Amino acid sequence: GAGVSQSPSNKVTEKGKDVELRCDPISGHTALYWYRQSLGQGLEFLIYFQGNSAPDKSGLPSDRFSAERTGGSVSTLTIQRTQQEDSAVYLCASSLGRVGYTFGSGTRLTVV
Amino acid sequence: DQQVKQNSPSLSVQEGRISILNCDYTNSMFDYFLWYKKYPAEGPTFLISISSIKDKNEDGRFTVFLNKSAKHLSLHIVPSQPGDSAVYFCAASARIRSSNTGKLIFGQGTTLQVKP
Repeated sequence: GAGVSQSPSNKVTEKGKDVELRCDPISGHTALYWYRQSLGQGLEFLIYFQGNSAPDKSGLPSDRFSAERTGGSVSTLTIQRTQQEDSAVYLCASSLGRVGYTFGSGTRLTVV
Repeated sequence: DQQVKQNSPSLSVQEGRISILNCDYTNSMFDYFLWYKKYPAEGPTFLISISSIKDKNEDGRFTVFLNKSAKHLSLHIVPSQPGDSAVYFCAASARIRSSNTGKLIFGQGTTLQVKP
């Protein structure tokens, strides 16, 4: 597609359940990033994939969070045993370089 | 450790006047700076950027100024229009080894309201 696509756009889950968020980057973009924006906060870096290199996981807040990128394209962010503080908008972006960083519309996650 | 800071959570200006949004950073390794604009329920969209080798970059109504010695950058919008009302994020990145890509570190954002 022409842009970065994220699904679902909204997700409501019960505390303790696992969730998977999906990101389809722009075709040909080698870098993929996950960020989250909690209510009233800025964009918090979570994880970054670049080609075949080992991902930069330095922003993941706990070991309940993990992400993978299959075939250098689609990425899935998984949150296990969700907690209420995980409620946020999760944003995915892709780029070819430091210019052209394009965001998706995000997945709004609500943990009840 | 907040490496990129936007100390003003909100700003209100009259249509036609200048809007000035400010951003401070602490990491001297940052060499590329960007501004993003975000409307509700949408992802951030790129607005303008500046490399650390420059001190000014202009694109239409938008100008970004960089003061490296003060570790400060600002976005000027002139004249401001009601459609500019949005959240503006400042972001910075540091070159990682020989790679041309890297994570962006964002500020907390400033909500701009332009009144008609």
